[in-house]
Order: sequence, then structure tokens, then C-alpha cells
Amino acid sequence: KQEVTQIPAALSVPEGENLVLNCSFTDSAIYNLQWFRQDPGKGLTSLLLIQSSQREQTSGRLNASLDKSSGRSTLYIAASQPGDSATYLCAVTQGGSEKLVFGKGTKLTVNP
Amino acid sequence: EAQVTQNPRYLITVTGKKLTVTCSQNMNHEYMSWYRQDPGLGLRQIYYSMNVEVTDKGDVPEGYKVSRKEKRNFPLILESPSPNQTSLYFCASSPQVGARLYYPNNSPLHFGNGTRLTVT
Repeated sequence: KQEVTQIPAALSVPEGENLVLNCSFTDSAIYNLQWFRQDPGKGLTSLLLIQSSQREQTSGRLNASLDKSSGRSTLYIAASQPGDSATYLCAVTQGGSEKLVFGKGTKLTVNP
Repeated sequence: EAQVTQNPRYLITVTGKKLTVTCSQNMNHEYMSWYRQDPGLGLRQIYYSMNVEVTDKGDVPEGYKVSRKEKRNFPLILESPSPNQTSLYFCASSPQVGARLYYPNNSPLHFGNGTRLTVT
């Protein structure tokens, strides 16, 4: 059964720092991996989607990488801002099914 | 505006009283799905639908029903709610999913703003 783990569970950094969030999964047979952002009381907003054949995706200050063989993905946030404070979740689409499996998220706080 | 709309946003009910949470999307998406989010357990998939009249169980389908009679709507039905169904529920949609997201014009999931359900 696919398990998705995110470390750390919470992270607090000063404004301006570059940071890395980690996501690992136990079964490498995935179609894609997505990173989401969730603000308190809100739904999830998709940030980046990486297909299984891709190594990375970039959007503005965000860069996500995927190493399918080792079961790992990272989300790199450059020059963090207080507005980046949110919970970040990763999810994989399991191969052979249409199911998404989510990690429990990393709660990021960027202090001014 | 492209969006996924859930109603109601908040709902308090009593054990055994049937309820329906509605979900509607205006993007002509094929795929729709329901999730519940609980502290310490993260997001778990309840049911999903690949297209009209096609639904499948997710990881935690017990106690829930869904229907997909129209492309835009995917209601979640709790026939006899129990306190362990107290949770934050999210509906999501996507043009395609799974293997079909392998093709170039894929799109990630779009989520609604959630329904906070309390069953007493």
C-alpha cells in the first residue's frame, strides 16, 4: 500500500531564507506527483505537477523535483515571504489506479 | 470564474439524520472526487468518478454514497451519519487523472473550499 511521508511536519524560518520541503513515497509506480498549498479554512491550491517521466517543474520562486526511483520529491522555495506561510502537501497518483494518496503536510511559517 | 463549489460550508447535524453535501464544477471536468481531512490522518479519498455514471470507491468509502448523473455535479450522501464522520470534506475536479495525465495537456486537481461537518 502506498504511503506518503512529509518531513518535517512543521517548519519556521525567517523571511528571505531559501528552504526545502521533503516528500517520500514507498511505491515508485506512480503516474505523477503534485504539490499543493493549503491555507487555514481553505481548500487546496495546486502549485506544481510533475509527471512520472519528468525530473522537475518550476513556477516562479518554486521548484519541485522528482526522483521516482528513490521515492523522493522536494519542493524548493526561494527567498521565502510571510505570504508563503501555509501547509504544503504532496500527493501521488498511484499507478494502476486513479487514486491519489496524500502526505500529511508540512506547516510552514515564515516570520517577518 | 472557473471553480468548484461546495455547499454548505458548515453543517451541524445529529446521528442518523440523512444529509447531502453538494459539489458542482463549471469547468466541464471529467474527473471528480471527495476527500475527508482529519487531524493526524491527512487527506483520504472517499469516492471518485471518472465520468457520468462511473463511480469508484476510494480508501474510506464506508458510510458514504455518491452519484454522478450529470458531469458538473457530484453530491456526497451520508445516509445515516455517525460522530466518526465529523470531519472537513473537500470536493475536487480535474479534466483527466491517472494515466491520462501522462499526456501533455494535463491539469492538476481543483479543490472546493471545504465543508466542515459535525455530527453529534
